[in-house]
Amino acid sequence: DIQMTQSPSSLSASVGDRVTITCRASQSISSYLNWYQQKPGKAPKLLIYAASSLQSGVPSRFSGSGSETDFTLTISSLQPEDFAAYYCQQSHSTPLTFGGGTKVEIK
Amino acid sequence: QVQLQESGPGLVKPSETLSLTCTVSGGSISSYYWSWIRQPPGKGLEWIGYIYYSGSTKYNPSLKSRVTISVDTSRNQFSLKLTSVTAADAAVYYCASYSLVAVSYYGMDVWGQGTTVAVSS
Repeated sequence: DIQMTQSPSSLSASVGDRVTITCRASQSISSYLNWYQQKPGKAPKLLIYAASSLQSGVPSRFSGSGSETDFTLTISSLQPEDFAAYYCQQSHSTPLTFGGGTKVEIK
Repeated sequence: QVQLQESGPGLVKPSETLSLTCTVSGGSISSYYWSWIRQPPGKGLEWIGYIYYSGSTKYNPSLKSRVTISVDTSRNQFSLKLTSVTAADAAVYYCASYSLVAVSYYGMDVWGQGTTVAVSS
């Protein structure tokens, strides 16, 4: 199985801050990496697919980068509605696996 | 716009079988893959498995011996059965479409709202 490791597991930030979350795969997954946002009590929402492509309707302040084993999700200017948990997920092979999540909290 | 809705008992007794159904509306189930994912309270996401509309399946090896996912194209539904449940299976269970979002790339682009399943006698 491909293990996905996210860091940090949580962070505190202020509105307007630039936020970066990293995700590392235990083996090369090319660009087969998705990012999801999950707000409390809600289902996850696909933000980014193929490591860097923005899903339709997702604000442009979200961006993704990376390939092979190291990936990054960046929020360029944190907005109040961005406080949530974020998960990476590899789509390279089954079993599909998620990172442990990063909770973005208000400072 | 495709929408998904999970249904099934919210309480299952230990050692019994958890059964959930996901109803697809606003589109046909006869495309792509259909997944089940779960999230224990306060924890992260775990992929359970998926089914292609033709009936082929893939399961998480950690659950494979206890999981069956099936599809009913006539009803636009797919279902999850998890046998011999324990307290560790208590979670929010989500169904999701695992769609081709770009050439060669798949993502879980539509999710149900989730259904909470407790395990208790």
